[in-house]
Amino acid sequence: QKEVEQNSGPLSVPEGAIASLNCTYSDRVSQSFFWYRQYSGKSPELIMSIYSNGDKEDGRFTAQLNKASQYVSLLIRDSQPSDSATYLCAVNSNYQLIWGAGTKLIIKP
Amino acid sequence: NAGVTQTPKFQVLKTGQSMTLQCAQDMNHNSMYWYRQDPGMGLRLIYYSASEGTTDKGEVPNGYNVSRLNKREFSLRLESAAPSQTSVYFCASRTVAGGDNEQFFGPGTRLTVL
Repeated sequence: QKEVEQNSGPLSVPEGAIASLNCTYSDRVSQSFFWYRQYSGKSPELIMSIYSNGDKEDGRFTAQLNKASQYVSLLIRDSQPSDSATYLCAVNSNYQLIWGAGTKLIIKP
Repeated sequence: NAGVTQTPKFQVLKTGQSMTLQCAQDMNHNSMYWYRQDPGMGLRLIYYSASEGTTDKGEVPNGYNVSRLNKREFSLRLESAAPSQTSVYFCASRTVAGGDNEQFFGPGTRLTVL
């Protein structure tokens, strides 16, 4: 069974520091990887997508992909209290996305 | 451009009652999905429709049925609700053409079955 694993947290990070979120996946043929943010009581929203090995930067967010190690990460620089949320990792598999259970991130002022 | 819309936003049912959750998207997406999310858990796929005219079971299909009414609309039906179906239900849509094939989510339906 295809799986996506994330540390459930909570991960507590001081304001202004770098938050590092990790995700591993089991399906070696996956080509598309996504990070979603979900605030309490809201629906998931896309933060980053990444398709190639290496880093992809968008503002304070950097996604990192290592297909050989089947590992995806999300770095959030200069963390803000508004970044406090649950971060979901998703991996493409045919017409579906396989979801991790999410990591709860808490940014402490 | 409303994106993905869901109705109703909240619903309370008694055990054994039936209801249909409605979902519509205006992004001309081919694929649509129904998920449930329970407290502290990730998203679990109930059913999906890869394209208009097709539907397939996901991870947790028991107790549910779906209809892909047309390209825009995908409904989820609970024929005989059970307390175990108390959850938040999300509809999502996606185009699988091209490289950007992320899913877009509706606001969710919060369902309580007593």
